[in-house]
Amino acid sequence: TQLLEQSPQFLSIQEGENLTVYCNSSSVFSSLQWYRQEPGEGPVLLVTVVTGGEVKKLKRLTFQFGDARKDSSLHITAAQTGDTGLYLCAGGHLTGGGNKLTFGTGTQLKVEL
Amino acid sequence: EAQVTQNPRYLITVTGKKLTVTCSQNMNHEYMSWYRQDPGLGLRQIYYSMNVEVTDKGDVPEGYKVSRKEKRNFPLILESPSPNQTSLYFCASSLSLPGQGNIQYFGAGTRLSVL
Repeated sequence: TQLLEQSPQFLSIQEGENLTVYCNSSSVFSSLQWYRQEPGEGPVLLVTVVTGGEVKKLKRLTFQFGDARKDSSLHITAAQTGDTGLYLCAGGHLTGGGNKLTFGTGTQLKVEL
Repeated sequence: EAQVTQNPRYLITVTGKKLTVTCSQNMNHEYMSWYRQDPGLGLRQIYYSMNVEVTDKGDVPEGYKVSRKEKRNFPLILESPSPNQTSLYFCASSLSLPGQGNIQYFGAGTRLSVL
């Protein structure tokens, strides 16, 4: 089983601060996705990156896929209370059962006023 | 509205009493999965299905069964639940897009407690 470790596991910050969440593995992935999950709901896809070194921006969120396609980071600029949630990375790899996703351990973010 | 619907949302049961969690999607996706989510362990895949009548084990299949008799439905069956199956369960259906991999759409989750 390919493992994805996320750090930090918990993060509590004030509104307006910047933060970075990391997702690391010793395995190479064909794609890397980031999801956000709010209490009582399922994860919702934020972005997919597929090329080593790729950077994607979604408003205040910046996602980067490592050059070797083994790691990724999520940077949030000027965090808002609405960013609070559980952030999950997921690595995609092709198997006999199709394109399988392996999820990271999650980062619980709390943004306070 | 495109959605994945799970039922029930909450379930408390006792050891050994068979139960089924239903999952239905209206997006005509071929690929569906079941995951369990436990603190510190992230989401782990239980079973998946690539199409009607095609199912296979994920990473943690022990104690679970699934069926895929029709495209839209993918029920999860616990024949004899045990306390270590207490968890938050998610059904997902997915679409594979060129250059983007497997895009998963999740249901709202089923919180199961086995006493």
